[in-house]
Amino acid sequence: ETGVTQTPRHLVMGMTNKKSLKCEQHLGHNAMYWYKQSAKKPLELMFVYNFKEQTENNSVPSRFSPECPNSSHLFLHLHTLQPEDSALYLCASSLGLVYQETQYFGPGTRLLVL
Amino acid sequence: KNEVEQSPQNLTAQEGEFITINCSYSVGISALHWLQQHPGGGIVSLFMLSSGKKKHGRLIATINIQEKHSSLHITASHPRDSAVYICASSNEKLTFGTGTRLTIIP
Repeated sequence: ETGVTQTPRHLVMGMTNKKSLKCEQHLGHNAMYWYKQSAKKPLELMFVYNFKEQTENNSVPSRFSPECPNSSHLFLHLHTLQPEDSALYLCASSLGLVYQETQYFGPGTRLLVL
Repeated sequence: KNEVEQSPQNLTAQEGEFITINCSYSVGISALHWLQQHPGGGIVSLFMLSSGKKKHGRLIATINIQEKHSSLHITASHPRDSAVYICASSNEKLTFGTGTRLTIIP
């Protein structure tokens, strides 16, 4: 248990569906992150939030829409996804921004887009 | 553009062997992270270092800033060490290596 939880753990969705991934951290951290991990590719940092404000968007397609209502919760809203979006989506948090801080990762949501 | 390379990509060893995984990066960084990912997918941060050496149990991480190189060592390796080990460099961005898949055979 790292103190970061993610739901659901597995998700299968069609290309026309809308779904949301949820991340919650109980560590009192101020920064939260979404990562994508595709098979045989390095981890890709998608979004960074610091004190609820988005500080980084790494050219992520608009079909992925993040939301950070407070420092403890982070959502990733998904709509009209493509099969190539199938991957493991990981949430992480850190006390300050990761460039100088240790990150704590959630268990991930394994997403399959049909 | 910073590039992070890890070697080897795959490593299989017998239980008890001393393990070394290497990470090289191409530009100056503020810190180097080592992560461990088990088959279920969960990732654990092992080390964050900006100079010298850090030790935690059987794991040791070193970094040579001048040579832009870091190593992760595992002493007295055990099957439970089987995982993917990922290094990541940070300056203004985080750049990840592709990982080293380690398998320890009993």
